[in-house]
Amino acid sequence: GENVEQHPSTLSVQEGDSAVIKCTYSDSASNYFPWYKQELGKRPQLIIDIRSNVGEKKDQRIAVTLNKTAKHFSLHITETQPEDSAVYFCAASSFRNTGKLIFGQGTTLQVKP
Amino acid sequence: DADVTQTPRNRITKTGKRIMLECSQTKGHDRMYWYRQDPGLGLRLIYYSFDVKDINKGEISDGYSVSRQAQAKFSLSLESAIPNQTALYFCATSDSGATDTQYFGPGTRLTVL
Repeated sequence: GENVEQHPSTLSVQEGDSAVIKCTYSDSASNYFPWYKQELGKRPQLIIDIRSNVGEKKDQRIAVTLNKTAKHFSLHITETQPEDSAVYFCAASSFRNTGKLIFGQGTTLQVKP
Repeated sequence: DADVTQTPRNRITKTGKRIMLECSQTKGHDRMYWYRQDPGLGLRLIYYSFDVKDINKGEISDGYSVSRQAQAKFSLSLESAIPNQTALYFCATSDSGATDTQYFGPGTRLTVL
């Protein structure tokens, strides 16, 4: 069945450094890849997403890259700040199951001041 | 978002009890979802509904049932709760006519003793 693997499960960086979280997906028909951020005690919220017709998308300090051949996509956060500390989830959906997201296991990012 | 609400926010119950978790939304979205979140396992889809009278099983539907009473309401029931159903439960919504972005409710923390 469809599967999304996310690594690493935990990531600790110094403030100002970059952080990279990677996900791989199994369904070659996947065409939508969102990233959600969940702060402690809060609900997951979308921070950026990308579709399969685009290789990269940026929004200020965050960017997502997609490699369809290798079936993986990554979240890049530059100039990390303490408020970036949270759990990040990647997800994927395919045109066969539009609207149904399969989530990765989550990455707990800690940014040390 | 304040437009997706869940009740109750916290619930402690005993093994064998029937429990209902409720989700309401004022976003006007046609699609609604129920997920459970467990540490290290990410968000796993329990059931989803793309419209009133449309019910679909997700990855982990065993032991759960749902009801889509109206476009704005989607309820999750545990007919006979067991301890391994202790988890954080999230409802989410999306709009089939727009992007695939899912908007999450605040979550319900359920403990089964």
